[in-house]
Formats: sequence, C-alpha cells, structure tokens
Amino acid sequence: ETGVTQSPTHLIKTRGQQVTLRCSSQSGHNTVSWYQQALGQGPQFIFQYYREEENGRGNFPPRFSGLQFPNYSSELNVNALELDDSALYLCASSADRAFVYGYTFGSGTRLTVV
Amino acid sequence: AQSVTQLGSHVSVSEGALVLLRCNYSSSVPPYLFWYVQYPNQGLQLLLKYTSAATLVKGINGFEAEFKKSETSFHLTKPSAHMSDAAEYFCAVFFFGNEKLTFGTGTRLTIIP
Repeated sequence: ETGVTQSPTHLIKTRGQQVTLRCSSQSGHNTVSWYQQALGQGPQFIFQYYREEENGRGNFPPRFSGLQFPNYSSELNVNALELDDSALYLCASSADRAFVYGYTFGSGTRLTVV
Repeated sequence: AQSVTQLGSHVSVSEGALVLLRCNYSSSVPPYLFWYVQYPNQGLQLLLKYTSAATLVKGINGFEAEFKKSETSFHLTKPSAHMSDAAEYFCAVFFFGNEKLTFGTGTRLTIIP
C-alpha cells in the first residue's frame, strides 16, 4: 500500500504571492486533513475534507482554502502569502471520519516566505 | 475547554534508561489519544493509539502508553532508551464533536550516550 505523498517538498515564495500544495492520500482513505507546523511548535489544524466536502476548519483566515478531488487527492491553496505562513505543511489521510485508525501523515512541504 | 498538555519541552535520558514523556488532556468525555514521533525534516509517524479498548497500549519501537481516566493522562514510556529514539514526540487527541486532531506542543527527546 502506498502512503501519503506531498509535493513539492520545499519551496520558496515571495510575500503576497499565491501557492498551491498537493497531497495524494493513502489508498482507500477518503478523509484528508491539512496541518500547519511552525518551527518549534506542534501541528495546527487548518481544515479537513471528507468525500470532497469541507467538514471542519481551524482558526485560519479565508485565504487558506482547499479542495479534495474524486480520487481523494487534495490541494491546499494559500493566497496573499505572509511571512508568518512560513512553516511545514502536513497532509494527513484517514479511512474514516472517526479516525479510529489514526491519521497517516505525509512528509510535508516546507514553505518559506521571503 | 478541551486541551492537551505535554509537560517538558525537552527531556534527556541516558542510553538504556527509562523514557517517560508526559501527556495530559482536558475533556469531560474520554477522547481518542495518539502518540506521534517526528524525526528531523520528516513528517509524523504514528507510534501508538488508544481508542477505548485496552488501557495499556503497545506501539512500535518498544514504546507503550497507559490511558488513565482518573488522571486524564496518556504518558508514553519505553523501558530502555536507544540512540535512535532521539526525536520530537507529539501527543495528539481526537475530541469527539471536533473533526480534528489537537496536538500538544511536543517534547524533544535527547539520548545521552
């Protein structure tokens, strides 16, 4: 079975630009969540998608948006990038909404905003 | 309010010594509980989970954790530390009614040779 794959692994953007991060869920998983992990901190929940619909959102502004596709892959879009958006962005997938089995995390995308 | 707390942002133990990483949660309903490990420049790897079955949970790499409802705790232990255990450890909680994992701030484990 394949795990969760994220791309790109690293990228550098300029303040004010827009960025799209991508995630391929583990086979058989229909739920995907995105987390932001700033340096030295624990991951913070951004939002979650279940069968292509958003069903949970953390305390992030609307310029953070997402999509889940029919094959359950996902995108995270961030508009009007700010310096504080520099972080490791983690995608996690699960086979069910109750997360009985736990999330499977990808290796993350390291975003640097300059 | 629902929350998760990891006591000790840094823990150092000698190789071969007991590892104890602490996690407490605040919730009126026992949640699901998880421990994840993160190696430098990598994502999160699930060590073990508690989902209302046995209170003593065994995970990978010799780690285990015990859910204690009366103490609202889910501490992570390993009898004998190995150099390869050096990493960041996160306790995470799934509170029912919130469709998300809430993470603690993490504990960096250092192993002293």
